[in-house]
Amino acid sequence: GQQVMQIPQYQHVQEGEDFTTYCNSSTTLSNIQWYKQRPGGHPVFLIQLVKSGEVKKQKRLTFQFGEAKKNSSLHITATQTTDVGTYFCAGEYTGGFKTIFGAGTRLFVKA
Amino acid sequence: SAVISQKPSRDICQRGTSLTIQCQVDSQVTMMFWYRQQPGQSLTLIATANQGSEATYESGFVIDKFPISRPNLTFSTLTVSNMSPEDSSIYLCSVRTSGRPIVTQYFGPGTRLLVL
Repeated sequence: GQQVMQIPQYQHVQEGEDFTTYCNSSTTLSNIQWYKQRPGGHPVFLIQLVKSGEVKKQKRLTFQFGEAKKNSSLHITATQTTDVGTYFCAGEYTGGFKTIFGAGTRLFVKA
Repeated sequence: SAVISQKPSRDICQRGTSLTIQCQVDSQVTMMFWYRQQPGQSLTLIATANQGSEATYESGFVIDKFPISRPNLTFSTLTVSNMSPEDSSIYLCSVRTSGRPIVTQYFGPGTRLLVL
Protein backbone atom coordinates (compact mmCIF):
# COMPACT_ATOMS: atom_id res chain seq x y z
CA GLY A 1 0.00 0.00 0.00
CA GLN A 2 0.91 3.65 -0.02
CA GLN A 3 3.49 4.45 2.57
CA VAL A 4 5.66 7.41 3.44
CA MET A 5 8.95 6.61 5.13
CA GLN A 6 10.63 9.27 7.26
CA ILE A 7 14.09 9.32 8.83
CA PRO A 8 15.65 9.77 11.25
CA GLN A 9 13.31 8.88 14.07
CA TYR A 10 15.14 11.12 16.52
CA GLN A 11 17.79 13.81 16.24
CA HIS A 12 19.69 15.48 19.06
CA VAL A 13 21.51 18.67 18.11
CA GLN A 14 23.34 21.44 19.87
CA GLU A 15 21.72 24.83 19.51
CA GLY A 16 23.11 26.47 16.40
CA GLU A 17 23.65 23.21 14.52
CA ASP A 18 21.70 22.33 11.41
CA PHE A 19 19.01 19.65 11.19
CA THR A 20 17.52 17.70 8.30
CA THR A 21 14.71 15.18 8.08
CA TYR A 22 13.93 13.13 5.00
CA CYS A 23 10.82 11.55 3.57
CA ASN A 24 10.49 8.97 0.85
CA SER A 25 7.58 7.38 -0.96
CA SER A 26 7.76 4.30 -3.16
CA THR A 27 5.25 5.83 -5.56
CA THR A 28 4.87 9.30 -7.01
CA LEU A 29 3.15 11.86 -4.83
CA SER A 30 0.82 14.58 -6.04
CA ASN A 31 2.05 16.78 -3.22
CA ILE A 32 3.75 16.62 0.14
CA GLN A 33 3.00 18.57 3.29
CA TRP A 34 5.07 19.26 6.36
CA TYR A 35 3.80 19.69 9.90
CA LYS A 36 5.32 20.54 13.25
CA GLN A 37 3.99 19.18 16.51
CA ARG A 38 5.26 20.65 19.74
CA PRO A 39 5.33 18.37 22.79
CA GLY A 40 1.80 18.13 24.12
CA GLY A 41 0.39 19.98 21.14
CA HIS A 42 -1.32 19.13 17.89
CA PRO A 43 0.19 19.12 14.39
CA VAL A 44 0.49 22.53 12.80
CA PHE A 45 0.66 22.88 9.03
CA LEU A 46 3.93 24.37 7.80
CA ILE A 47 3.90 24.11 4.02
CA GLN A 48 2.78 22.19 0.97
CA LEU A 49 5.01 21.36 -1.99
CA VAL A 50 3.40 20.53 -5.30
CA LYS A 51 5.85 20.99 -8.16
CA SER A 52 8.68 18.67 -9.13
CA GLY A 53 11.99 20.01 -7.80
CA GLU A 54 10.26 22.72 -5.81
CA VAL A 55 12.20 24.51 -3.07
CA LYS A 56 10.52 26.77 -0.55
CA LYS A 57 11.97 28.71 2.35
CA GLN A 58 10.44 29.95 5.57
CA LYS A 59 13.09 31.89 7.48
CA ARG A 60 15.53 29.20 8.67
CA LEU A 61 13.49 26.34 7.23
CA THR A 62 14.10 25.04 3.70
CA PHE A 63 11.74 22.53 2.12
CA GLN A 64 12.54 20.53 -0.99
CA PHE A 65 10.49 18.26 -3.21
CA GLY A 66 12.39 15.80 -5.37
CA GLU A 67 12.39 15.84 -9.14
CA ALA A 68 10.54 12.53 -9.24
CA LYS A 69 8.08 13.72 -6.60
CA LYS A 70 8.91 10.72 -4.45
CA ASN A 71 11.04 12.32 -1.79
CA SER A 72 11.25 15.47 0.23
CA SER A 73 13.37 17.07 2.90
CA LEU A 74 13.12 19.71 5.58
CA HIS A 75 16.31 21.47 6.58
CA ILE A 76 16.59 23.82 9.55
CA THR A 77 19.62 26.10 9.65
CA ALA A 78 21.10 27.09 13.01
CA THR A 79 18.54 25.40 15.22
CA GLN A 80 17.07 27.18 18.20
CA THR A 81 15.41 25.77 21.30
CA THR A 82 12.08 26.91 19.89
CA ASP A 83 12.51 24.38 17.07
CA VAL A 84 12.00 21.41 19.39
CA GLY A 85 9.16 19.13 18.48
CA THR A 86 8.26 16.43 16.02
CA TYR A 87 8.30 17.18 12.32
CA PHE A 88 5.98 15.12 10.14
CA CYS A 89 5.83 14.85 6.41
CA ALA A 90 2.54 13.79 4.87
CA GLY A 91 2.13 12.66 1.30
CA GLU A 92 -0.92 12.86 -0.89
CA TYR A 93 -1.35 10.64 -3.92
CA THR A 94 -3.02 11.38 -7.21
CA GLY A 95 -6.75 10.79 -7.15
CA GLY A 96 -6.96 10.90 -3.38
CA PHE A 97 -7.72 13.53 -0.78
CA LYS A 98 -6.26 11.88 2.25
CA THR A 99 -2.75 12.42 3.51
CA ILE A 100 -0.46 9.60 4.60
CA PHE A 101 1.77 10.68 7.45
CA GLY A 102 5.36 9.68 7.91
CA ALA A 103 6.51 8.40 11.28
CA GLY A 104 7.89 11.80 12.23
CA THR A 105 11.31 13.01 13.34
CA ARG A 106 11.58 14.21 16.88
CA LEU A 107 14.05 17.04 17.26
CA PHE A 108 15.80 17.76 20.54
CA VAL A 109 17.84 20.96 20.80
CA LYS A 110 20.32 21.39 23.61
CA ALA A 111 21.07 24.96 24.65
CA SER B 1 -7.71 29.54 8.15
CA ALA B 2 -9.92 27.31 10.27
CA VAL B 3 -10.23 27.17 14.04
CA ILE B 4 -11.22 23.79 15.40
CA SER B 5 -12.45 22.96 18.87
CA GLN B 6 -12.90 19.52 20.33
CA LYS B 7 -14.81 18.29 23.36
CA PRO B 8 -13.89 16.75 25.68
CA SER B 9 -10.20 17.66 25.79
CA ARG B 10 -9.49 14.54 27.83
CA ASP B 11 -11.32 11.73 29.54
CA ILE B 12 -10.73 8.62 31.58
CA CYS B 13 -13.20 5.85 30.81
CA GLN B 14 -13.94 2.34 31.94
CA ARG B 15 -13.61 -0.52 29.52
CA GLY B 16 -16.82 -1.52 27.82
CA THR B 17 -18.22 2.00 27.77
CA SER B 18 -18.45 4.43 24.86
CA LEU B 19 -17.29 8.01 24.44
CA THR B 20 -18.45 10.56 21.89
CA ILE B 21 -16.02 13.25 20.82
CA GLN B 22 -17.30 16.45 19.26
CA CYS B 23 -15.54 18.56 16.67
CA GLN B 24 -16.66 22.09 15.84
CA VAL B 25 -15.16 24.24 13.08
CA ASP B 26 -15.56 28.00 12.84
CA SER B 27 -16.23 27.88 9.09
CA GLN B 28 -17.87 25.57 6.60
CA VAL B 29 -15.48 22.94 5.30
CA THR B 30 -16.03 20.18 2.83
CA MET B 31 -13.44 17.75 4.02
CA MET B 32 -13.23 16.63 7.63
CA PHE B 33 -11.17 13.76 8.98
CA TRP B 34 -10.63 11.86 12.19
CA TYR B 35 -7.15 10.70 13.17
CA ARG B 36 -5.71 8.70 16.00
CA GLN B 37 -2.28 9.31 17.47
CA GLN B 38 -0.85 7.02 20.10
CA PRO B 39 1.81 8.52 22.39
CA GLY B 40 5.04 9.14 20.55
CA GLN B 41 3.61 7.78 17.31
CA SER B 42 2.50 9.15 13.99
CA LEU B 43 -1.03 10.00 12.94
CA THR B 44 -3.29 7.30 11.59
CA LEU B 45 -6.37 8.23 9.60
CA ILE B 46 -9.50 6.61 10.98
CA ALA B 47 -12.05 7.92 8.51
CA THR B 48 -13.23 10.76 6.34
CA ALA B 49 -16.43 12.28 7.67
CA ASN B 50 -18.80 12.97 4.79
CA GLN B 51 -21.60 15.47 5.19
CA GLY B 52 -24.97 13.85 4.68
CA SER B 53 -23.65 10.37 4.03
CA GLU B 54 -21.80 7.54 5.71
CA ALA B 55 -18.17 8.08 6.64
CA THR B 56 -15.40 6.47 4.62
CA TYR B 57 -13.30 4.25 6.85
CA GLU B 58 -9.67 3.29 6.43
CA SER B 59 -8.42 -0.26 6.60
CA GLY B 60 -8.55 -1.55 10.15
CA PHE B 61 -11.34 0.75 11.27
CA VAL B 62 -15.04 -0.14 11.18
CA ILE B 63 -18.25 1.76 11.63
CA ASP B 64 -19.47 -0.40 14.51
CA LYS B 65 -16.41 0.52 16.55
CA PHE B 66 -16.04 4.15 15.45
CA PRO B 67 -19.41 5.51 14.33
CA ILE B 68 -19.14 9.00 12.90
CA SER B 69 -21.77 11.63 12.32
CA ARG B 70 -21.49 14.73 10.12
CA PRO B 71 -24.82 16.54 10.20
CA ASN B 72 -23.50 19.75 8.61
CA LEU B 73 -20.36 21.39 7.24
CA THR B 74 -19.10 22.68 10.59
CA PHE B 75 -19.65 19.78 12.99
CA SER B 76 -18.82 16.11 13.40
CA THR B 77 -18.73 13.50 16.12
CA LEU B 78 -16.65 10.39 16.56
CA THR B 79 -17.77 7.70 18.99
CA VAL B 80 -15.34 5.18 20.39
CA SER B 81 -17.54 2.21 21.22
CA ASN B 82 -17.09 -0.66 23.66
CA MET B 83 -13.73 0.71 24.69
CA SER B 84 -10.72 -1.34 25.69
CA PRO B 85 -7.33 -0.17 27.00
CA GLU B 86 -5.99 -0.47 23.44
CA ASP B 87 -8.21 2.46 22.50
CA SER B 88 -6.23 4.76 24.77
CA SER B 89 -4.92 7.40 22.42
CA ILE B 90 -5.28 10.97 21.24
CA TYR B 91 -8.12 11.48 18.79
CA LEU B 92 -7.78 14.44 16.45
CA CYS B 93 -10.29 16.11 14.22
CA SER B 94 -8.87 17.68 11.06
CA VAL B 95 -10.18 19.76 8.18
CA ARG B 96 -8.84 20.78 4.80
CA THR B 97 -9.46 24.12 3.21
CA SER B 98 -10.86 24.10 -0.26
CA GLY B 99 -8.84 25.02 -3.31
CA ARG B 100 -6.38 23.16 -5.48
CA PRO B 101 -3.55 22.61 -5.89
CA ILE B 102 -2.59 24.33 -2.66
CA VAL B 103 -4.56 23.24 0.34
CA THR B 104 -4.03 23.62 4.04
CA GLN B 105 -4.92 21.05 6.64
CA TYR B 106 -5.75 22.08 10.18
CA PHE B 107 -5.94 19.96 13.28
CA GLY B 108 -8.00 20.35 16.40
CA PRO B 109 -6.36 20.28 19.82
CA GLY B 110 -7.17 16.60 20.25
CA THR B 111 -9.01 14.50 22.80
CA ARG B 112 -6.79 12.50 25.12
CA LEU B 113 -8.51 9.26 26.02
CA LEU B 114 -7.40 6.83 28.70
CA VAL B 115 -9.30 3.57 29.04
CA LEU B 116 -8.88 1.64 32.25
